[in-house]
Amino acid sequence: AQTVTQSQPEMSVQEAETVTLSCTYDTSESDYYLFWYKQPPSRQMILVIRQEAYKQQNATENRFSVNFQKAAKSFSLKISDSQLGDAAMYFCAYRSTGNQFYFGTGTSLTVIP
Amino acid sequence: GAVVSQHPSRVICKSGTSVKIECRSLDFQATTMFWYRQFPKQSLMLMATSNEGSKATYEQGVEKDKFLINHASLTLSTLTVTSAHPEDSSFYICSATKIQGRGDTQYFGPGTRLTVL
Repeated sequence: AQTVTQSQPEMSVQEAETVTLSCTYDTSESDYYLFWYKQPPSRQMILVIRQEAYKQQNATENRFSVNFQKAAKSFSLKISDSQLGDAAMYFCAYRSTGNQFYFGTGTSLTVIP
Repeated sequence: GAVVSQHPSRVICKSGTSVKIECRSLDFQATTMFWYRQFPKQSLMLMATSNEGSKATYEQGVEKDKFLINHASLTLSTLTVTSAHPEDSSFYICSATKIQGRGDTQYFGPGTRLTVL
């Protein structure tokens, strides 16, 4: 199975500032998808952003963007203009060609008012 | 977006009993659904892949006879925890695949908290 590593168990950011969450993965596949999911206290998994491995252009969704480095197998998430509602657990996920999802251990993000 | 529901949201049962958890895709058909379990402050661990009309595919280390999965229709998958024990207490989450061309997307249910006494 593929492995996904998030080396930052906890991160904090001042409201309106920018924060970057790190993620690396290991795979032998060439075609795959990468995702960032947010899990607030309600435990509902919410899709933040997705990246297709065949696309060189980094995905962006409003205040959320990724830095996808395929050769380095790195997939970091940048949150700009952080808001209090961004506070949550963030999981990096790898989707294999068989459609199985493998999640990292998560990063708990605190937004400081 | 798409909606995936789970029922029940919380269940408490006695040790030795069986518990069934339902996962439904409410506004789309899902040929594939997945079941995960999540321990407190930990990540989601994939348990099995549920395929409509065929047997589920289990991840290594997951007991097939303990966690029975049935995907009877394109909108419903069920996970039955048989002869539950306290160590089975966990948060169980399902997800369903919505086909959207090349970029199909996973939608997650809200989860079911199982407590085995």
